[in-house]
Amino acid sequence: AQKITQTQPGMFVQEKEAVTLDCTYDTSDPSYGLFWYKQPSSGEMIFLIYQGSYDQQNATEGRYSLNFQKARKSANLVISASQLGDSAMYFCAMREGGTGGFKTIFGAGTRLFVKA
Amino acid sequence: DTGVSQDPRHKITKRGQNVTFRCDPISEHNRLYWYRQTLGQGPEFLTYFQNEAQLEKSRLLSDRFSAERPKGSFSTLEIQRTEQGDSAMYLCASSPPEESNYGYTFGSGTRLTVV
Repeated sequence: AQKITQTQPGMFVQEKEAVTLDCTYDTSDPSYGLFWYKQPSSGEMIFLIYQGSYDQQNATEGRYSLNFQKARKSANLVISASQLGDSAMYFCAMREGGTGGFKTIFGAGTRLFVKA
Repeated sequence: DTGVSQDPRHKITKRGQNVTFRCDPISEHNRLYWYRQTLGQGPEFLTYFQNEAQLEKSRLLSDRFSAERPKGSFSTLEIQRTEQGDSAMYLCASSPPEESNYGYTFGSGTRLTVV
């Protein structure tokens, strides 16, 4: 069964510094996609970045990058140059490409606090 | 297009009553998803539509829950005989046909409180 684990309930980072949010996953499907979403206090989930299981390079989107280590089944999110507006809940998610259909499962999330 | 719309934003109901929520996805998106999120947890998958067909339903979903997408556009989620454990945020999301590397677009959610 597919599973997403985020072991950091909360993280603190100083403004302008980089931070890594951890995510490990478990699946037996060779084809899958990994996602990170941000949920500010307003509640709306915002898609940040995607990594495919067959992608050779780590995904990057502006200040977000995904450190994909396939053998270790980890997909950590790196936020560079943190800003106060980055304070939010961050969810790692996975969608299997085969028998998993098109549903995405989410981890429990990490709450990030950016300090001024 | 203004994104995914959900109505109402908040709903307070008495235990035992029925409630219905509506979701209007982005018009070009043929896939629609319902999730439930409780405080401090990640979204939990409920059900998924491709056009008007309901292709998957979580086994965690009791028969008090039903969802429809009659014309492949908007969707409704109904909860019958609500219980206090149904109190949660109900999120709707949509995605386009070519979704291999496309994240979902979520609505703002409907917060249900059962008293």
